[in-house]
Amino acid sequence: DAKTTQPPSMDCAEGRAANLPCNHSTISGNEYVYWYRQIHSQGPQYIIHGLKNNETNEMASLIITEDRKSSTLILPHATLRDTAVYYCIVRLPHTGANSKLTFGKGITLSVRP
Amino acid sequence: NAGVTQTPKFRVLKTGQSMTLLCAQDMNHEYMYWYRQDPGMGLRLIHYSVGEGTTAKGEVPDGYNVSRLKKQNFLLGLESAAPSQTSVYFCASSPRGGGHTGELFFGEGSRLTVL
Repeated sequence: DAKTTQPPSMDCAEGRAANLPCNHSTISGNEYVYWYRQIHSQGPQYIIHGLKNNETNEMASLIITEDRKSSTLILPHATLRDTAVYYCIVRLPHTGANSKLTFGKGITLSVRP
Repeated sequence: NAGVTQTPKFRVLKTGQSMTLLCAQDMNHEYMYWYRQDPGMGLRLIHYSVGEGTTAKGEVPDGYNVSRLKKQNFLLGLESAAPSQTSVYFCASSPRGGGHTGELFFGEGSRLTVL
């Protein structure tokens, strides 16, 4: 699986958009970009994933650059409950041994009042 | 649905003791995983299973054994616990591919301390 690079931390004000960057310059053509988050002491939670196109769901939006070498997770209106570690993960299609996820250290997002 | 349930949630062991962590999922998922998480680090995969009766090694398998005798259960065993195995252990499950998002569903974690 391709490796990802994320800054160690960032913060944003409550109610503002949080834009979390991720570099994955060695991504291959059939690898997906996944985002998970982990709120303190809890198990990680799936947020969103994409291949080429931008994606949006009730939690966030995922913007993938045209060359697919980087992506941005956008939380449109951050709340204090969004304070967590966010993991950007790249992996092959979800079958068999490819189904496992490899986590890096992620980015710690702190939402301030 | 309970989702993914881990038992026990907390345990203190002495060096050399053995124990088993139980992970149970009620979502009929094919795939199951055991991860460990140490302070300041991301999750590291210990072992995983792609179906009943099958297991495979992850990144950090040494000192652990696993079994998947029933589809809904994935057991993680420590035969002779060491202080280096002090960690928070997370179990996860996911459905087989083919139209699914590939989402992993995680349990709440089991905090193990080895003295």
